[in-house]
Amino acid sequence: QVQLVQSGAEVKKPGASVKVSCKASGYTFASYSMHWVRQAPGQGLEWMGIINPTGTNARYAQKFQGRLIMTRDTSTSTVYMELSSLRSEDTAVYYCAKDAGVPAPGPIDYWGQGTLVTVSS
Amino acid sequence: QLVLTQSPSASASLGASVKLTCTLSSGHSSYPIAWHQQQPEKGPRYLMKINSDGSHSKGDGIPDRFSGASSGAERYLTISSLQSEDEADYYCQTWDTGIRVFGGGTKLTVL
Repeated sequence: QVQLVQSGAEVKKPGASVKVSCKASGYTFASYSMHWVRQAPGQGLEWMGIINPTGTNARYAQKFQGRLIMTRDTSTSTVYMELSSLRSEDTAVYYCAKDAGVPAPGPIDYWGQGTLVTVSS
Repeated sequence: QLVLTQSPSASASLGASVKLTCTLSSGHSSYPIAWHQQQPEKGPRYLMKINSDGSHSKGDGIPDRFSGASSGAERYLTISSLQSEDEADYYCQTWDTGIRVFGGGTKLTVL
């Protein structure tokens, strides 16, 4: 069965960076794009970006341009999300999520368990 | 601009049915959407994909009580025989090349 297992909770100071990992199993990792989605406390889901199956291309939502980097390691079936210049508004649960579409874009069909990132001085 | 609109809240009685609506922005009525469920204090779970012709495909293990439909720019999620565990936030999601969009979510209360 498909599983996306994320790294543990993080506490960071404003201005710092955070890197969250997501290890995939149960499917052909190199065939599907991956997303990162976040959810601030009491708020809805916010799409952050997508990385293609080979890791050669990533697209980011406009509000994260310049401070978000998504990467993936096919040898370990792991994707990474690094967000820099953290501010208090970045406090949220961050989810990795698998795209269903091959080869055309598709819906998200599996979610990781989430990683809480707290930004506080 | 690709936007999804959902009512903030809905309610229905235990054992009854409820229909949630997700509306695509002007010019995007042919787009498919997906529905996701988020129970309290849990992560989201994919429910199904709905195409503009109303055809839909469900995720793994999603009960038959959940069904989807489409009309024009509206996409629907119907939950029948409501159970207490159906009380959750429901998000619709759509996509285009390089972008994904979520609706604001509907909080479903089971009375």
